[in-house]
Amino acid sequence: SAVISQKPSRDICQRGTSLTIQCQVDSQVTMMFWYRQQPGQSLTLIATANQGSEATYESGFVIDKFPISRPNLTFSTLTVSNMSPEDSSIYLCSVEKGGDTQYFGPGTRLTVL
Amino acid sequence: DQQVKQNSPSLSVQEGRISILNCDYTNSMFDYFLWYKKYPAEGPTFLISISSIKDKNEDGRFTVFLNKSAKHLSLHIVPSQPGDSAVYFCAASSNFGNEKLTFGTGTRLTIIP
Repeated sequence: SAVISQKPSRDICQRGTSLTIQCQVDSQVTMMFWYRQQPGQSLTLIATANQGSEATYESGFVIDKFPISRPNLTFSTLTVSNMSPEDSSIYLCSVEKGGDTQYFGPGTRLTVL
Repeated sequence: DQQVKQNSPSLSVQEGRISILNCDYTNSMFDYFLWYKKYPAEGPTFLISISSIKDKNEDGRFTVFLNKSAKHLSLHIVPSQPGDSAVYFCAASSNFGNEKLTFGTGTRLTIIP
């Protein structure tokens, strides 16, 4: 498995501002993923982040709104830009280890006022 | 289009009895299936997985069954314990889908002491 930490664990932000979420893994991994879980909903993949290349975004998510960095094999950031109350969600990063299994971080609970 | 469905939003089971959680999928390209458990304010924890070349995988109290013809999988927990109370998500991936996970909507399992 993998030990994954996220910062911050939670935040309350004002409309129109941006928040950068950090994800740190205890070992080198090729693929990292960012998910969103809106209230009462399932987990939805935002993008896949591979080191050394541009992130791949899922339908409905764009780089201008959710820029991602992946500077090395143990770290990634997701920025939620120009936030609105609809962005209030839990944001989770995950990594793939041991084949096709993904392991998740503890999540960042974001509330936008 | 919900490709992975968990039709029971909640389930209550007596402690010591068997818990059966169900999941249906529509995409025949899915070839790897996983179950995650999620406590409030935590990220999903990987429980057990199964490849499409198998129809059963067992790990301790957890067994996952896959019926490919019916596009159905189930998670059996026996015996159920109070610590099993959580939300359970099934997820699916395809080798042709860049390993991205598609999640179901979750089932909240409550174990009654």
